[in-house]
Amino acid sequence: SYVLTQPPSVSVAPGKTARITCGGNNIGSKSVHWYQQKPGQAPVLVIYYDSDRPSGIPERFSGSNSGNTATLTISRVEAGDEADYYCQVWDSSSDHRGVFGGGTKLTVL
Amino acid sequence: QLQLQESGPGLVKPSETLSLTCTVSGGSISSSSYYWGWIRQPPGKGLEWIGSIYYSGSTYYNPSLKSRVTISVDTSKNQFSLKLSSVTAADTAVYYCATSDRTGNWFDPWGQGTLVTVSS
Repeated sequence: SYVLTQPPSVSVAPGKTARITCGGNNIGSKSVHWYQQKPGQAPVLVIYYDSDRPSGIPERFSGSNSGNTATLTISRVEAGDEADYYCQVWDSSSDHRGVFGGGTKLTVL
Repeated sequence: QLQLQESGPGLVKPSETLSLTCTVSGGSISSSSYYWGWIRQPPGKGLEWIGSIYYSGSTYYNPSLKSRVTISVDTSKNQFSLKLSSVTAADTAVYYCATSDRTGNWFDPWGQGTLVTVSS
């Protein structure tokens, strides 16, 4: 089965840039989606198709995907960005299934 | 704008069947653009995809849960449902329903989630 690997935690100072990685075998050949989840809330889509932003998501959120690593980049980090972030792909290689990464806790120092 | 709302018992006994319903508003569950999915999150842990269904009834299930999961759709009520049999404490989680784009397979929007506890 396809596995997505994320670092458990990332810390960043306000105003700096946070990068959260999502590793997977040849993930560059798949479409990666990213979600933000704040405590007690449902996840919210922040990036789809590797780098597209849904309406209402600030331009500070961007994504990239190549080789074995996809990256969510948050520029000019704000205190309100502190949350858990999950990457997700749809694995059609053998059977069709949704796959989530283990999640990364972003802490704003 | 699509909105989803989960409903069902918050407490299920071990070995019994967990049953949840997701009611869709703001759009038709018969839309050809979407799949309808269930995702769960055990307390303090990450997200786990359970399965997805198309309005026609075609389904995809997580292989690790496939033997215990049934997802169905009721187009007349604009609802889809989840049944998980033979539950144990490990099935205690917040259960979310969500819309899945049929081409890109991302989940948006999500319901607010409902906590289901498995306990005697």
